[in-house]
Amino acid sequence: DQQVKQNSPSLSVQEGRISILNCDYTNSMFDYFLWYKKYPAEGPTFLISISSIKDKNEDGRFTVFLNKSAKHLSLHIVPSQPGDSAVYFCAASVWVKTSYDKVIFGPGTSLSVIP
Amino acid sequence: DAGVTQSPTHLIKTRGQQVTLRCSPKSGHDTVSWYQQALGQGPQFIFQYYEEEERQRGNFPDRFSGHQFPNYSSELNVNALLLGDSALYLCASSANYNEQFFGPGTRLTVL
Repeated sequence: DQQVKQNSPSLSVQEGRISILNCDYTNSMFDYFLWYKKYPAEGPTFLISISSIKDKNEDGRFTVFLNKSAKHLSLHIVPSQPGDSAVYFCAASVWVKTSYDKVIFGPGTSLSVIP
Repeated sequence: DAGVTQSPTHLIKTRGQQVTLRCSPKSGHDTVSWYQQALGQGPQFIFQYYEEEERQRGNFPDRFSGHQFPNYSSELNVNALLLGDSALYLCASSANYNEQFFGPGTRLTVL
């Protein structure tokens, strides 16, 4: 039972264009969402996050949008650069008492930015 | 400041054997979480250690156990290895649960 889904295993984008990575979740209790980026032979690196009280969070070229009613979030990268080529994981968690519960990861989307 | 370090980098074991993986957290971090990442999948939460105790656990059998030492470093032990245990094992440390920093992982191959 996959609670966090990334239905596109891969995505190719031309350099300079927008990359849009999508993520859907099934657990309506999730209230904190994160995106991680992973290069080969390295561990995942935190990229950007969003709390359920917001619908948008921006950090430089990266913007995450959250649509709670649709249980959907997306990561926009503008403009895309070849160095952005990596696997991107969507993740989610729930605030429980005084801390967040375990983080649930999606299966990842492999992004290729073509020069 | 060294980030999260893990050892060994690669490991090959046979079915039925036992394995111990090690993790040193980032300086200032007191919480260590372990994840299993099978090929083509996202990391799956195994358990988390805080103050030398298992604080949370994912859906993994008792063959998976761990330990955290007073210096916050941690070990992951897997007994009676199965072919399906072949995966990348990731350690993540944090001071705040969601601000996790991951190590490069240990690639375990079970033959």
